[in-house]
Amino acid sequence: TQLLEQSPQFLSIQEGENLTVYCNSSSVFSSLQWYRQEPGEGPVLLVTVVTGGEVKKLKRLTFQFGDARKDSSLHITAAQPGDTGLYLCAPQGGSNYKLTFGKGTLLTVNP
Amino acid sequence: DTAVSQTPKYLVTQMGNDKSIKCEQNLGHDTMYWYKQDSKKFLKIMFSYNNKELIINETVPNRFSPKSPDKAHLNLHINSLELGDSAVYFCASSRDRSTNYGYTFGSGTRLTVV
Repeated sequence: TQLLEQSPQFLSIQEGENLTVYCNSSSVFSSLQWYRQEPGEGPVLLVTVVTGGEVKKLKRLTFQFGDARKDSSLHITAAQPGDTGLYLCAPQGGSNYKLTFGKGTLLTVNP
Repeated sequence: DTAVSQTPKYLVTQMGNDKSIKCEQNLGHDTMYWYKQDSKKFLKIMFSYNNKELIINETVPNRFSPKSPDKAHLNLHINSLELGDSAVYFCASSRDRSTNYGYTFGSGTRLTVV
C-alpha cells in the first residue's frame, strides 16, 4: 500500500502571493493527476503529468512531476480569491481501475 | 447542460431510514463511481460500474447497495442509515475503466443523518 502525503494540509494567504503545495509518496507512479475542488462542488481535473521531470503550465498554475516519479508539486503565482479550494493529487500506478486521492491541501486566498 | 448530475443535492434524514441517491451522466462514458467524502475532506472510493457491471466494491457496509440500470445511470441505496453515514457522496464517470483520462465528478449529495 502506497503512503501518499499532501502538504501543507491548510494554507491561508493574501491575494497576490505565490505558493507551492506538494504531493509525496513512498511509491513510484506511472502518472499523476491534480484536481481542484471548489466549495460545494465536485473535484475538477486540472492536469495529468506523465513523464519524470515534466513541467506543465495552466495559466498561473505550474505543475511538476518529480524525476523519480514519486512526488509532484503545484505552484501558483499571484494567487487570486478564485484559486480558493481543495487541491487533490491522485497518483496512478498499481491498480489502474480506481483513483486514490490524497487528503488534499485546503487553500484560502483572501482578498 | 450538466455532465454528471446527482439528486438530491441535500438529504436530511433520521437514523434507521432508507434513502437513495441518483446519478446520471450524459458524457457517453462507460464507467461510473461512487465516492464518499468525510468531514475531513478525505475522498474515498466505494463502488465502480463499467457498462452496468460491478468492478470495484471497496470495504463498504452491505447496507449500501449500488445499482446501474444502464451505463448512463448509477444509483446508491442506503438501508438503516446511521449517524456515521453523514458525509458528502460524489458520483463520477470516466471514459473507460482506466484512470488515464481522469474523472468527471457531480456536485455531490450532502447526506445528514440525525
